[in-house]
Amino acid sequence: GDSVTQMEGPVTLSEEAFLTINCTYTATGYPSLFWYVQYPGEGLQLLLKATKADDKGSNKGFEATYRKETTSFHLEKGSVQVSDSAVYFCALSDNAGNMLTFGGGTRLMVKP
Amino acid sequence: NAGVTQTPKFQVLKTGQSMTLQCAQDMNHNSMYWYRQDPGMGLRLIYYSASEGTTDKGEVPNGYNVSRLNKREFSLRLESAAPSQTSVYFCATSGIGNSPLHFGNGTRLTVT
Repeated sequence: GDSVTQMEGPVTLSEEAFLTINCTYTATGYPSLFWYVQYPGEGLQLLLKATKADDKGSNKGFEATYRKETTSFHLEKGSVQVSDSAVYFCALSDNAGNMLTFGGGTRLMVKP
Repeated sequence: NAGVTQTPKFQVLKTGQSMTLQCAQDMNHNSMYWYRQDPGMGLRLIYYSASEGTTDKGEVPNGYNVSRLNKREFSLRLESAAPSQTSVYFCATSGIGNSPLHFGNGTRLTVT
């Protein structure tokens, strides 16, 4: 079945540092890929998505590129802020778009 | 605009007790989902409903039942709670195709 693997956290960075959170996947066909973010006490919110190979999703300074050759969708941000502290989830959807498979989540802590 | 509303926010049950988690949406979405979130395991799908009147099992359905009462409401029932069901439960909705999931703020359930 489909699966998503993320780097384990927590990831602790200083403000303005560069962020990478690794995500790799296994899936049949051509899934769509997503990053969701969860702030404390809240549900998940869509951060960005990519629906086909070589697409780059971007939002709020975060970006991720759909790499089919390496089955990866790594999340990056050039300069993190304290307000980016949250849990980040990589996910994929099947071709019909009905089911999402999530990675285990990576907690990011940004210190001033 | 409430989006996806879950009740209650918190609940403590004793082993063997029953309860129903409620979810209501005002987004006019056809699909609704129940996930559970456990540390290090990401979100796992319990049940989903692709449209009013239909429900299907997800990855971890044992010990749960669901009811899609109408287009707006999708409830999750625990008939005989077990400590293994201690978790945070999220309801989510989505529109057609690969549209993103919209999550409620979760219900934190503890079974003692």
